[in-house]
Amino acid sequence: DAGVIQSPRHEVTEMGQEVTLRCKPISGHNSLFWYRQTMMRGLELLIYFNNNVPIDDSGMPEDRFSAKMPNASFSTLKIQPSEPRDSAVYFCASSLGAYSYEQYFGPGTRLTVT
Amino acid sequence: AQTVTQSQPEMSVQEAETVTLSCTYDTSESDYYLFWYKQPPSRQMILVIRQEAYKQQNATENRFSVNFQKAAKSFSLKISDSQLGDAAMYFCAYRSAKSNYQLIWGAGTKLIIKP
Repeated sequence: DAGVIQSPRHEVTEMGQEVTLRCKPISGHNSLFWYRQTMMRGLELLIYFNNNVPIDDSGMPEDRFSAKMPNASFSTLKIQPSEPRDSAVYFCASSLGAYSYEQYFGPGTRLTVT
Repeated sequence: AQTVTQSQPEMSVQEAETVTLSCTYDTSESDYYLFWYKQPPSRQMILVIRQEAYKQQNATENRFSVNFQKAAKSFSLKISDSQLGDAAMYFCAYRSAKSNYQLIWGAGTKLIIKP
């Protein structure tokens, strides 16, 4: 299996620009998670999808952040407009089902907003 | 609310030696899962080992084993025969059996392997 795939691996953008991060979960997994990792706050869950439906988006920082999962094999996390404080590593993870206890992480996207 | 504490920001060990990383947690629940994840410099989070709270037997995966003390709410990770490739950040995580997704993470321990 290819594992969770994320793109791009690195993104450098200027403040105010739109940023779109992409994720392809492991085939057959129906739960998908977006996390953000910073030195100050550690790993934070941003949003959780089950069967393509957002179940919990309470971790999304503000309205500038949005996430979609149009089908079982693709999800996006969009930041518009981006700000320097959004600089972080963003991870996508997937799991087999609602009661699976293992989350498999992608390699992450390192976002730098200047 | 549940919390996970890793009191060792950094640990170092000589190659081929054994090292133990500490993790404690706080919960009022009796049924839950505990995990150790490894994050090498490549950034990828890799599941190392998991433990179900209802199991008394400590989980083992090759050179990695845990010491699960439910009453003490302690979940330490032992790495035997340390290898250079074990150098990474190690995160302890908790998940309630009632939640199908919410992981509570510790702050992490940076493990340095001395050749």
